Amino acid sequence: ETGVTQTPRHLVMGMTNKKSLKCEQHLGHNAMYWYKQSAKKPLELMFVYNFKEQTENNSVPSRFSPECPNSSHLFLHLHTLQPEDSALYLCASSQAPRVGAITEAFFGQGTRLTVV
Amino acid sequence: GQNIDQPTEMTATEGAIVQINCTYQTSGFNGLFWYQQHAGEAPTFLSYNVLDGLEEKGRFSSFLSRSKGYSYLLLKELQMKDSASYLCAASGYSTLTFGKGTMLLVSP
Repeated sequence: ETGVTQTPRHLVMGMTNKKSLKCEQHLGHNAMYWYKQSAKKPLELMFVYNFKEQTENNSVPSRFSPECPNSSHLFLHLHTLQPEDSALYLCASSQAPRVGAITEAFFGQGTRLTVV
Repeated sequence: GQNIDQPTEMTATEGAIVQINCTYQTSGFNGLFWYQQHAGEAPTFLSYNVLDGLEEKGRFSSFLSRSKGYSYLLLKELQMKDSASYLCAASGYSTLTFGKGTMLLVSP
């Protein structure tokens, strides 16, 4: 139990489907993140939310659409994905980061996504 | 810009000591994290360094030199369960930037 819960753990979807990934944190954090982890590549930051406001979008294609209704929940809406989008999608949370402050991130177990 | 570099793979034997190096270039650097990730699982926090020097935590220690942009993770008395990927991550401004991870294989 990491305090950060992601569902589903595994997802297979076709290129024309629409699906959503969900993340929930019970740690009282104010910042939440989506990371993508592809085989043999580093964790890639996708989106950052601080106090429900999106503060970073790392040039992510529009077929990925995040939503943060409150500080405890984060969604990643998926539509018309490509096979190369198959990866492990990890959600993380931390205290709201600020300049000069350490921001340790706690990760969820991830959603293993396969696009066929 | 952000750039993190660490070896791809290392091997060691049970009971030995291994050092995993990491070099970084990070804007607004304010700390260096190490995470452990077993296959198919989430990364879990191991340690962080803010100031230069060595931080010891049981069998694991982490070192930082800010002037050199260099850190290492030292694992002592290796156990089979230590076989995992070790991720170096630099904290800068508003987020963490991760390296590709070092896959450590511990053999009997």
